[in-house]
Amino acid sequence: KAGVTQTPRYLIKTRGQQVTLSCSPISGHRSVSWYQQTPGQGLQFLFEYFSETQRNKGNFPGRFSGRQFSNSRSEMNVSTLELGDSALYLCASSLEAGGNYNEQFFGPGTRLTVL
Amino acid sequence: QKEVEQNSGPLSVPEGAIASLNCTYSDRGSQSFFWYRQYSGKSPELIMFIYSNGDKEDGRFTAQLNKASQYVSLLIRDSQPSDSATYLCAVTYRGNQFYFGTGTSLTVIP
Repeated sequence: KAGVTQTPRYLIKTRGQQVTLSCSPISGHRSVSWYQQTPGQGLQFLFEYFSETQRNKGNFPGRFSGRQFSNSRSEMNVSTLELGDSALYLCASSLEAGGNYNEQFFGPGTRLTVL
Repeated sequence: QKEVEQNSGPLSVPEGAIASLNCTYSDRGSQSFFWYRQYSGKSPELIMFIYSNGDKEDGRFTAQLNKASQYVSLLIRDSQPSDSATYLCAVTYRGNQFYFGTGTSLTVIP
């Protein structure tokens, strides 16, 4: 079974631009979560989607948004990029939301650099 | 605020020794506990999970959970240089939101 895929793998943008990242979960997985990882802050939770609905949201500004499509693929958008948005963005999928025994499996990540 | 604390390390052990990684969490409502391994430049990969108090063994790995002390640990027996990585502890509460620690860097010295 194919794993979680993320595109693109690398991105270079300039301040003020916007960016859209894509994530395709493992087949059959309905929950997709997004994380930002930086050396100083570790893995920070952005949001989680299940059945096209945002179920949980972390403490990030409104410039960070996401959505999920009917095939469970998810996109994350960051508008008005800032230098501090440079990070590895990770997507993780799990079988279903709402339960407490759902392992998350991570994609390879998108490395975003903001100049 | 739900917090997950890990000693950032670095933790160094000789090859063949037991590596012990520790994690504490702040919310007694925590229900699921996960250990991930992350190699430099790679994404986290799931090693094992534990839900009930006690020990859970999987090959060279043993997870230990003590809910009364709000403590979860990972033991790696017969450590190998390939185990050198950052180990992330994650905790879930009601729902599917994961809270991660900042990770412990492990180096296994040949």
